[in-house]
Amino acid sequence: DGGITQSPKYLFRKEGQNVTLSCEQNLNHDAMYWYRQDPGQGLRLIYYSQIVNDFQKGDIAEGYSVSREKKESFPLTVTSAQKNPTAFYLCASSQTSGGRGTQYFGPGTRLLVL
Amino acid sequence: AQSVTQLGSHVSVSEGALVLLRCNYSSSVPPYLFWYVQYPNQGLQLLLKYTTGATLVKGINGFEAEFKKSETSFHLTKPSAHMSDAAEYFCAVRNTGTASKLTFGTGTRLQVTL
Repeated sequence: DGGITQSPKYLFRKEGQNVTLSCEQNLNHDAMYWYRQDPGQGLRLIYYSQIVNDFQKGDIAEGYSVSREKKESFPLTVTSAQKNPTAFYLCASSQTSGGRGTQYFGPGTRLLVL
Repeated sequence: AQSVTQLGSHVSVSEGALVLLRCNYSSSVPPYLFWYVQYPNQGLQLLLKYTTGATLVKGINGFEAEFKKSETSFHLTKPSAHMSDAAEYFCAVRNTGTASKLTFGTGTRLQVTL
């Protein structure tokens, strides 16, 4: 079955530590996205990538970094500069041509600070 | 920039009653509009979308939405609520001609009571 996988399901971060969230898709989509979800605030875009080896900042990129070395993978690193990382992180993908912008989501990773 | 407003962060209905979740958007061009559903600790699942053509869109699980350009609205309805409909619902807009970015509303939590 085609889909998007995210790992781990839960992640714990210590003070000053960088952590990396994994996102993999086998839908052959060109575009991938990372969102942060906080209660009552909906989804906010962190980074997105429309093609391999290229990515753009979203609305809340500070304290985060990404890479896009393969079409299938778009890992997100939460750096120590992100002072309030506790949130639910969602990865999504879409076709850039056709598909009318429909994004498909992974199951999410919940990040907690120790 | 486009924006989405979802009126009512919490909506409660009785089982069997009509479900109406409101979404208004702002856009300078005809938008693509989406409704997603999220169950606790899960990713978002696409319910339905409007791109072009018929303004009444039918989705999964008996939901439908009507695009009303004059009212800049895309309200989600279901004639008869079921307990399994209890979840959070997000409206999103994508402007045509831009990268496949979506702007999400802050969500409406639907509670279904006996």
